[in-house]
Amino acid sequence: GENVEQHPSTLSVQEGDSAVIKCTYSDSASNYFPWYKQELGKRPQLIIDIRSNVGEKKDQRIAVTLNKTAKHFSLHITETQPEDSAVYFCAASIVDFGNEKLTFGTGTRLTIIP
Amino acid sequence: NAGVTQTPKFRILKIGQSMTLQCAQDMNHNYMYWYRQDPGMGLKLIYYSVGAGITDKGEVPNGYNVSRSTTEDFPLRLELAAPSQTSVYFCASSYTSGTQYQPQHFGDGTRLSIL
Repeated sequence: GENVEQHPSTLSVQEGDSAVIKCTYSDSASNYFPWYKQELGKRPQLIIDIRSNVGEKKDQRIAVTLNKTAKHFSLHITETQPEDSAVYFCAASIVDFGNEKLTFGTGTRLTIIP
Repeated sequence: NAGVTQTPKFRILKIGQSMTLQCAQDMNHNYMYWYRQDPGMGLKLIYYSVGAGITDKGEVPNGYNVSRSTTEDFPLRLELAAPSQTSVYFCASSYTSGTQYQPQHFGDGTRLSIL
């Protein structure tokens, strides 16, 4: 089955700096890569996702890049703000009719230092 | 739209007791999932369903059962609760049909303690 590794497990950055979280996956058939943000005591919420037919996607201060050859994808947060502090999870899936299970990474606890 | 609704929000069980965690979605999603999240850890898939009447095991199904009699509801049953089942349980749903896809949307979770 799919295996997703996520690094680093904790990350502290100064407010206004950028944060980068990296994930690798094992199954070359995976074609969908979402990122979820989970604040303390809350549910995971989707913040951005990417399909394997694109290499990069941006949404305001967040972006995701995908390297299919190397089987890794990354989350980039620019101009970080205190409200970005949370645990971030990457995931990988084969999105296909009849088969859609996410395999999650172990999470990155991001702390923004004011 | 309420999205994905889970009940109860909190529950304490004694070892050996049974209970059912409820999950309902009103988004007409065909896929539904149950995850558990242990403290400081990621999400592990317990069971999932691709539609009414169809369920399948995930990564950690032992000690749990599910049913899917309707599109909207996907209850998770714990039989003979054990301390190892102390966790936060999240239900999620998504939609996949051909090229159409709506990503997984999570409920607020049920915090379950087994003492």
